[in-house]
Amino acid sequence: DTGVSQDPRHKITKRGQNVTFRCDPISEHNRLYWYRQTLGQGPEFLTYFQNEAQLEKSRLLSDRFSAERPKGSFSTLEIQRTEQGDSAMYLCASSRQANTGELFFGEGSRLTVL
Amino acid sequence: DAKTTQPPSMDCAEGRAANLPCNHSTISGNEYVYWYRQIHSQGPQYIIHGLKNNETNEMASLIITEDRKSSTLILPHATLRDTAVYYCIVNTGTASKLTFGTGTRLQVTL
Repeated sequence: DTGVSQDPRHKITKRGQNVTFRCDPISEHNRLYWYRQTLGQGPEFLTYFQNEAQLEKSRLLSDRFSAERPKGSFSTLEIQRTEQGDSAMYLCASSRQANTGELFFGEGSRLTVL
Repeated sequence: DAKTTQPPSMDCAEGRAANLPCNHSTISGNEYVYWYRQIHSQGPQYIIHGLKNNETNEMASLIITEDRKSSTLILPHATLRDTAVYYCIVNTGTASKLTFGTGTRLQVTL
């Protein structure tokens, strides 16, 4: 399968713990995006990378959130000191730079904070 | 990004055409209309996009009005597997991100 893959698919954690999600984009895509989706809402943009550079971050991305794409390939999204409000689906997507309207999404990582 | 307006929900009988409308009255000349869908518990899936001409692919057809202020996504023969939330988005194709609204929840019934 050459699509976008995310790991883990599900994560249950206690409030205050740190969690990390990984995303492997389609190999030839140089753009990688993170979105968050809560129940009944559309996906909300968090941040995106062009190659290894993080070019934009949403105000939704508090200082407890950090994302990296160290070699311009896979990316990680870390949430420190999780809160119940962080419970959501975290979606990763990738695209070619020349067509950023056509995103390829992964299946998402569902986070539940108890 | 220009904003879009979609009905919150629609029903369609299996085998019939599903016509999903979208208003984007403030669309700019360089913005495309993109459609995505999201089946329950999956990531969004790209369906189709267009600038001003009607487009068709193996999944759907996209009809854009001449003034480009609205569009319709057509699923010609809806099946139960087409039950999903459908998002209409306008984007230049080179912008930094897509902005999703709440979409239209399409329920296909027997």
